[in-house]
Amino acid sequence: DIVMTQSPLSLPVTPGEPASISCRSSQSLLHSNGYNYLDWYLQKPGQSPQLLLYLASTRASGVPDRFSGSASGTDFTLRISRVEAEDVGVYYCMQALQTPITFGQGTRLEIK
Amino acid sequence: QVQLVQSGGGVVQPGRSLRLSCAASGFTFNIHGMHWVRQAPGKGLEWVAITSYDGRHKYYADSVKGRFTISRDNSKNTVSLEMSNLRPGDTAVYYCAKATSTYCRGNNCYSSGFDPWGQGTRVTVSS
Repeated sequence: DIVMTQSPLSLPVTPGEPASISCRSSQSLLHSNGYNYLDWYLQKPGQSPQLLLYLASTRASGVPDRFSGSASGTDFTLRISRVEAEDVGVYYCMQALQTPITFGQGTRLEIK
Repeated sequence: QVQLVQSGGGVVQPGRSLRLSCAASGFTFNIHGMHWVRQAPGKGLEWVAITSYDGRHKYYADSVKGRFTISRDNSKNTVSLEMSNLRPGDTAVYYCAKATSTYCRGNNCYSSGFDPWGQGTRVTVSS
């Protein structure tokens, strides 16, 4: 199984400041079609998870452009250019290149 | 709008069975792979199962293989999860999710973009 490792697990951020979350996969997530099968999700308190980015860097519909994603080999990064209060919650990376699909442990973002 | 509405769930004794359902609307259901994901109390997300758009390909997490069955009815725009021989470790909130894209070939499916997710349904396995 592909293991997904996120860091940090807790991320206190001052509103207006940038933030980044890292996710490392134990195997390449690069398909022969050129896409990395890595998604980012945010689970706000008391809610179902919501898609932020798919294929490592494509923003889902309605997601603000302050969210961006990048990939370098088996290292993936979610960046928030300016954190807002509504961004609090737990962020998960997920690989879906092969079954079983696996998630990172989650990173809890809180506002300072 | 694109929506997944879940039903089923509840409290069940160990060894018993339970069926979860997920009704889709607002999109062309029969061209999308569908997934079930669960979240134990206070824990992270755990993928459970996938069915391809036509139901021909189905894969499961090792933790549920042989006990859970995913199915879909494209005439009713529903996907279900039949859970049998339930264990206390199956206690969780279960979510259905639509995959933006899913391709299945051989013994693997690859997907991207779970969107949307259902509202979640709680399953508690306890005597």
